[in-house]
Parts: sequence; C-alpha cells; structure tokens
Amino acid sequence: DAGVIQSPRHEVTEMGQEVTLRCKPISGHDYLFWYRQTMMRGLELLIYFNNNVPIDDSGMPEDRFSAKMPNASFSTLKIQPSEPRDSAVYFCASSNRGYNSPLHFGNGTRLTVT
Amino acid sequence: GESVGLHLPTLSVQEGDNSIINCAYSNSASDYFIWYKQESGKGPQFIIDIRSNMDKRQGQRVTVLLNKTVKHLSLQIAATQPGDSAVYFCAEIDGSEKLVFGKGTKLTVNP
Repeated sequence: DAGVIQSPRHEVTEMGQEVTLRCKPISGHDYLFWYRQTMMRGLELLIYFNNNVPIDDSGMPEDRFSAKMPNASFSTLKIQPSEPRDSAVYFCASSNRGYNSPLHFGNGTRLTVT
Repeated sequence: GESVGLHLPTLSVQEGDNSIINCAYSNSASDYFIWYKQESGKGPQFIIDIRSNMDKRQGQRVTVLLNKTVKHLSLQIAATQPGDSAVYFCAEIDGSEKLVFGKGTKLTVNP
C-alpha cells in the first residue's frame, strides 16, 4: 500500500489567495483526519470524517477553512482567503477504526502564506 | 490545557545506549495511548500502542510502560541507533474521545 498520499508537498502563496490541499487515504480506511502542526501549538485536529461524512469540525479555526470528502478515496482542505498565520504543516491521516486504531499519517503539506 | 505533556523536550544519547522518553497525562479516564515517531519532513509514524488494561507492551526494540497510578507513560528504545533520531510524541484518547498529542521530545543519537 502506498500509504496516505498528500499533495502538494509544499505550497507558497500570497495572502488572500485560495489554497487547496489534497489527500488520498489508505484504501479501506473509512476514517480520515486533517491535522495542522505548528511549533507553537503542536498537532491540532481540524476535522475528521467517517464514511465521507464530517463528524467533528470543532477544530476548524474559522469560516475561511472548509473540508470536503466527495468519495472514500479523496479529501480536500481549502483555505479561502489565506492569511500568514495559516502557515503550518497540514497532515492528513486515516484509520480503519477511528481513534481505536493507530492513525496513519501522510507526509504533509508545508504551507507558507506571505 | 492539554492533558498530555512531556517531561523532557530534548534527549541526547550515545549510539547503542538505551533511551527512555517520558510522558505524563492528566485524564485518569484515558484508556488508549499511542507513541508516534516523526522524522524531519515526514508525518508521524506509529510505533506502539497500549490500552489501559495493560501496564507493559513490547515491540521490536521498543517497550511502552503505563503506570496508571501516577498517570505516566514511557517509551523505552533498546540499543538506540542513529535512525532513531526523531521527535517522539505520546498521544492519548482523552475523555472527549479525541486523540490528544503531546508537544514531543526530540531524540538525538550521537555516533
């Protein structure tokens, strides 16, 4: 299995632009998680899906952030408009039993907003 | 605040020595704990997990110990190798059924 695949690996954009991050979970995993990692706050859960349905989006910072999962093999995290404080590494993870089994992480997207 | 924290933010060991990384948690109702390893430029990688009905679990060169009395978790790495250099996170399923990550401990293995 190729593991969780994220794209792009790096994204540099200007403040105000729209940013779309993409994730392909491990086949057969029906839970998908989006995390953000910064030096100051560590790893924070933004949102997670079960069977393509958003279950908990309480970690989404504000309305500028949105996430979708149109099918079992694809999810997007969109930031519109982006701000410099959104600069972070965004990770996608998947599992087959939610939090009761280990999460498998992708290698992340490093976002820089100038 | 976070219910999971680490006693030592950095740890430096000699190659071949054993390493011990510690973690404290505050939620006595937590029942599932996981250790992750994160290498530079990569996502966290699962190492080993333990449930609250156990106090010890062993893997390949790694052992996790759980002391529920003092709410303490540790990761022991035997015969530490340069490839073990990374940031190690403990994570806990807290009372809200969410996975909470600690801040991480950076392990450096000196040749």
